[in-house]
Amino acid sequence: DTAVSQTPKYLVTQMGNDKSIKCEQNLGHDTMYWYKQDSKKFLKIMFSYNNKELIINETVPNRFSPKSPDKAHLNLHINSLELGDSAVYFCASSQMSNQPQHFGDGTRLSIL
Amino acid sequence: QKEVEQDPGPLSVPEGAIVSLNCTYSNSAFQYFMWYRQYSRKGPELLMYTYSSGNKEDGRFTAQVDKSSKYISLFIRDSQPSDSATYLCAMSEVTGTASKLTFGTGTRLQVTL
Repeated sequence: DTAVSQTPKYLVTQMGNDKSIKCEQNLGHDTMYWYKQDSKKFLKIMFSYNNKELIINETVPNRFSPKSPDKAHLNLHINSLELGDSAVYFCASSQMSNQPQHFGDGTRLSIL
Repeated sequence: QKEVEQDPGPLSVPEGAIVSLNCTYSNSAFQYFMWYRQYSRKGPELLMYTYSSGNKEDGRFTAQVDKSSKYISLFIRDSQPSDSATYLCAMSEVTGTASKLTFGTGTRLQVTL
């Protein structure tokens, strides 16, 4: 009965490849988010979707493209992976904009 | 200057101690204040959530917000080894249908037996 689940948990790939990370929430929330946590553990927002509509896009390179097929899913596709993309990517969701966000356990992306 | 400043620690305390974790912020638009706990290789777990100045208590945890000084704190009473984790303060300003969380850098806490 995991609330926010991400797949895969670990992703190791070569520079230049394209990869996707999937996120699903079973909380019935309307808003979903992607965050990036760097090697210094600093968490920074990347995107937010509300009911399949892009709401927040925080100056992320356009190699990153989020896609929300329905309000329970928010996937992240990354083209032409670079060394600097190595990080932990967290998905989160909230019921409304003034409600707290609940996080998944992250996807650890390593670029070789 | 970062929008949210948090002492990275690490902080090491004996079991049973009272722990005080603090963050300061510069953005007056922040309306909601949270504390998350993050264990190694896990996602942030919400501990406390508040939107007004003052204290909010939940079991051994007390969150304190002082909007006039732009300062928030988390107190942990009777600390336990299971409290050993990284604690992240987070603040948000609401823009329409989404809120953007701005995190502190996290404080690593170690509670020793």
